Amino acid sequence: GNSVTQMEGPVTLSEEAFLTINCTYTATGYPSLFWYVQYPGEGLQLLLKATKADDKGSNKGFEATYRKETTSFHLEKGSVQVSDSAVYFCALRGSSASKIIFGSGTRLSIRP
Amino acid sequence: DVKVTQSSRYLVKRTGEKVFLECVQDMDHENMFWYRQDPGLGLRLIYFSYDVKMKEKGDIPEGYSVSREKKERFSLILESASTNQTSMYLCASRPGQGATNEKLFFGSGTQLSVL
Repeated sequence: GNSVTQMEGPVTLSEEAFLTINCTYTATGYPSLFWYVQYPGEGLQLLLKATKADDKGSNKGFEATYRKETTSFHLEKGSVQVSDSAVYFCALRGSSASKIIFGSGTRLSIRP
Repeated sequence: DVKVTQSSRYLVKRTGEKVFLECVQDMDHENMFWYRQDPGLGLRLIYFSYDVKMKEKGDIPEGYSVSREKKERFSLILESASTNQTSMYLCASRPGQGATNEKLFFGSGTQLSVL
């Protein structure tokens, strides 16, 4: 079945550092891929998405590229801010499915 | 903005009790989902529904059932609550199939403690 594996946290960085959170997936066909974010005390919200191979999703300075050859969708940001501290979830929807499955989440903390 | 409302933010129940968690969405979405969120395990899908009276099991349906009698409401039922069902429960909704309708809208969650 479909699955999502993302790097374990917590990840702690200094402000303005470069961020990468790794995400790899297993799926048949052509899934849609997502990053969701959960800020402290808030509900999950969609950060970015990509629906086909080589698509790049981007939002709020974050980017992720759908790489079918490596089955990956790594999240990157060039210069993180304290306000980026949150839990980040990689997620997948199979090409013929309604349900969306999530990775285990990565907690990110940014030091001033 | 789409609103997904979960009836309780915090709930404390005793082992063996029947527990109802309610979720209502106001944007006429076809698909509704129940997840539980546990530290280190992320979100795991319990059940989902793609239409009124339709339901499908997710990855961890044991010990749970659901009800979708109206399009806007999706209820999660714990038939006989157990301590291992202590968790944060998240409801979400999404429009029907289509590449432009991929986004899940989440409620703020219900933290359930079973004593």
